Amino acid sequence: GENVEQHPSTLSVQEGDSAVIKCTYSDSASNYFPWYKQELGKGPQLIIDIRSNVGEKKDQRIAVTLNKTAKHFSLHITETQPEDSAVYFCAASSAGSQGNLIFGKGTKLSVKP
Amino acid sequence: EPEVTQTPSHQVTQMGQEVILRCVPISNHLYFYWYRQILGQKVEFLVSFYNNEISEKSEIFDDQFSVERPDGSNFTLKIRSTKLEDSAMYFCASSENGVVWSTEAFFGQGTRLTVV
Repeated sequence: GENVEQHPSTLSVQEGDSAVIKCTYSDSASNYFPWYKQELGKGPQLIIDIRSNVGEKKDQRIAVTLNKTAKHFSLHITETQPEDSAVYFCAASSAGSQGNLIFGKGTKLSVKP
Repeated sequence: EPEVTQTPSHQVTQMGQEVILRCVPISNHLYFYWYRQILGQKVEFLVSFYNNEISEKSEIFDDQFSVERPDGSNFTLKIRSTKLEDSAMYFCASSENGVVWSTEAFFGQGTRLTVV
């Protein structure tokens, strides 16, 4: 079955710097890759997603890139702010699945003012 | 903004007891999900539910687990005889369409289940 690996597990950056979180997946049939942000005491919240027919997607300070050949995808946050501090999860889902998201272990991002 | 709500926020139960975790999905959503997150570990898929039946389930979702939509608004997860290893944060989620087709699955804030 699908396995998603996420790195790093913790990431500390200065406010204004960029942050990059990387994930790899094992199932070449996966075609949907969301990223979730989880703040303390809250459930995961979708921040951006990408489907396998697209190589890159951007939404203001957040971008995701997908390399299907290498089976990896990355989250890029530019001009980081303290409110970006949270745990970020990548996930992957296979074609035909209606909800079986396979999550990475998460990255705890700390943005220092 | 519509949201998925879960109750209770924290549940403590004795090993062997039955628990029911409750969720109110977003009203126009058709797909419902349960996930769990053991402390310090990955968020894991348990089950998806559509049209009043289970559409997909993981290996974790064994005979001790069941889901139900008892009325038009609630979606419940029942654990029949809790074990210590069931201690985790349980997240309910819903989406307008299946996750792969929909733009978003909305998650609730979670129920922390502690089995003692």
